[in-house]
Amino acid sequence: DIQMTQSPSSLSASVGDRVTITCRASQSISSYLNWYQQKPGKAPNLLIYAASSLQSGVPSRFSGSGSGTDFTLTISSLQPEDFATYYCQQSYSALLLTFGGGTKVEIK
Amino acid sequence: QLQLQESGPGLVKPSETLSLTCTVSGDSVSSSRYYWGWIRQPPGKGLEWIGTIYYSGNTYYNPSLKSRVTISVDSSKNQFSLRLNSVTAADTAVYHCARLTSTGYHPFDYWGQGTLVTVSS
Repeated sequence: DIQMTQSPSSLSASVGDRVTITCRASQSISSYLNWYQQKPGKAPNLLIYAASSLQSGVPSRFSGSGSGTDFTLTISSLQPEDFATYYCQQSYSALLLTFGGGTKVEIK
Repeated sequence: QLQLQESGPGLVKPSETLSLTCTVSGDSVSSSRYYWGWIRQPPGKGLEWIGTIYYSGNTYYNPSLKSRVTISVDSSKNQFSLRLNSVTAADTAVYHCARLTSTGYHPFDYWGQGTLVTVSS
């Protein structure tokens, strides 16, 4: 199985900060990496697919990068509505899918 | 507008079978463009993929759950279903259904709101 490791598990930041979240795969997954945002009591929402493609309707302050084993989700200027938990997910392994453990972004 | 809605019992006894249904509106579960999947989230924890089904009936399961899981599709009702047998308290979670694209990078692009299933006697 492909394991996905996110770091940090939580972070505190202020409105306007640049925030970076990292996701590492246990083996190369090319660009088969998706990112989701989840707010309390809600379903996850797709932000980025194929490592760097912005899902329709998602603000341009969100961006993704990386390939192989190391990936990054960046929020260029944190907004109040961005305080949430973020998950990466790999889809490389023949539809045997796995999620990272999540990164909770909290208000500083 | 695509909508997915989970339904089923909110309380299941240990050792029994958890059964949930996802009703899809605004799209067809018979479409070759998509897969349909189940994901769960124990209270206060992260997301765990359970399994995925294609309209043809092909299924893919999380190896850690494979021996207990069955996912099926009912095209006549535009639904797909989850059965998880021999449940324990560790299966208590919010269960979400979701759609995945069948080409490209298979993201979950639409999700149901989720339904809480508690395993308790």
